[in-house]
Amino acid sequence: GDSVTQTEGLVTLTEGLPVMLNCTYQSTYSPFLFWYVQHLNEAPKLLLKSFTDNKRPEHQGFHATLHKSSSSFHLQKSSAQLSDSALYYCALSDGGYQNFYFGKGTSLTVIP
Amino acid sequence: AQTIHQWPVAEIKAVGSPLSLGCTIKGKSSPNLYWYWQATGGTLQQLFYSITVGQVESVVQLNLSASRPKDDQFILSTEKLLLSHSGFYLCAWSPDWGQDTQYFGPGTRLLVL
Repeated sequence: GDSVTQTEGLVTLTEGLPVMLNCTYQSTYSPFLFWYVQHLNEAPKLLLKSFTDNKRPEHQGFHATLHKSSSSFHLQKSSAQLSDSALYYCALSDGGYQNFYFGKGTSLTVIP
Repeated sequence: AQTIHQWPVAEIKAVGSPLSLGCTIKGKSSPNLYWYWQATGGTLQQLFYSITVGQVESVVQLNLSASRPKDDQFILSTEKLLLSHSGFYLCAWSPDWGQDTQYFGPGTRLLVL
């Protein structure tokens, strides 16, 4: 079945350093990949979504590239900000509208 | 613009008591609707989805049921709560065709004692 694996449950970074959160997936189909961000006591919000072509989605300084050869969709940012501290989920849709699979989440804490 | 509303905001309930959580979407006709459950510190687990009025598919039941009585309304319920039902319940919607992005509601926090 489809699944999403996120490594590094807890990540602590110093402000200004680059961010990279890993996400790999397994899917029978050609899935859509997403990154959602959840701040404390809030609902998850969409951060990025993969494109069907080779475009690289970007939002709020974050970007991610879908690599079908390695089944990965890592989240990156060149310089971490304190406000980036949150829980980040990688998610997969099988291309329809029924089933979504979320990874276990990566908690990012940015310190001064 | 579309808005998604969930009620109640939070509940404290006793084990064995009934539960009904609601979700309403405004500004979008025929959305796909979803229920998720998130245990404290846990990931998002999809529970149900619905693509049309009166039709609900179960992904993981957890002794819960769902219904879609109106195009813009999605209800999650159970007749008997368990301690394991505690957590954060999120409703989400996505456009009906061709796109898969999900938009989440503010959620309902449930504590079962």
